[in-house]
Amino acid sequence: EPEVTQTPSHQVTQMGQEVILRCVPISNHLYFYWYRQILGQKVEFLVSFYNNEISEKSEIFDDQFSVERPDGSNFTLKIRSTKLEDSAMYFCASADRDHEQYFGPGTRLTVT
Amino acid sequence: QKEVEQNSGPLSVPEGAIASLNCTYSDRGSQSFFWYRQYSGKSPELIMSIYSNGDKEDGRFTAQLNKASQYVSLLIRDSQPSDSATYLCAVNTGFQKLVFGTGTRLLVSP
Repeated sequence: EPEVTQTPSHQVTQMGQEVILRCVPISNHLYFYWYRQILGQKVEFLVSFYNNEISEKSEIFDDQFSVERPDGSNFTLKIRSTKLEDSAMYFCASADRDHEQYFGPGTRLTVT
Repeated sequence: QKEVEQNSGPLSVPEGAIASLNCTYSDRGSQSFFWYRQYSGKSPELIMSIYSNGDKEDGRFTAQLNKASQYVSLLIRDSQPSDSATYLCAVNTGFQKLVFGTGTRLLVSP
């Protein structure tokens, strides 16, 4: 069964450093998303991406964040200058035309 | 602020019983509704979607939607210990993004 994959599973970085989180969505899906979940809190939407452009973004997704689909398979989230409060699980999701979103296993980001 | 509300629980049921999980949402324009299961330390796993008023059944799971009351529920029949997890209600409020509730923790005791 096709699934969303994410790398790395755990990323530790120092405050102020740049990180890139990588995702491979399900191959025939058209819509791509990033969500995050701070420990003990709800899953929060960050950004959606369709047809090679951002279709919607949340207030969390400020100028420090960017997304890219550099080729036909990868979908990345970049955080330019990490802050302590960026520590969270970051989930990539993808969906087909039915908009049912399937989540990857997540990347745990720890900012020290 | 578009909200999705769930009782955080825990909801405790004995093995074999029916577990009933509830969710309310604030945005009347919401079009689609989802239930995800999340085991501790894992990612959300889609278990049900529902788009129109009424019931939708899939195996041991039944989702119920009442748009007039802005209410979604999930019934799990013949609950098993392996069903113990946090159940997240998610609502598609607009273009594509999902708004999640905080989740209800379900504990099924053998």
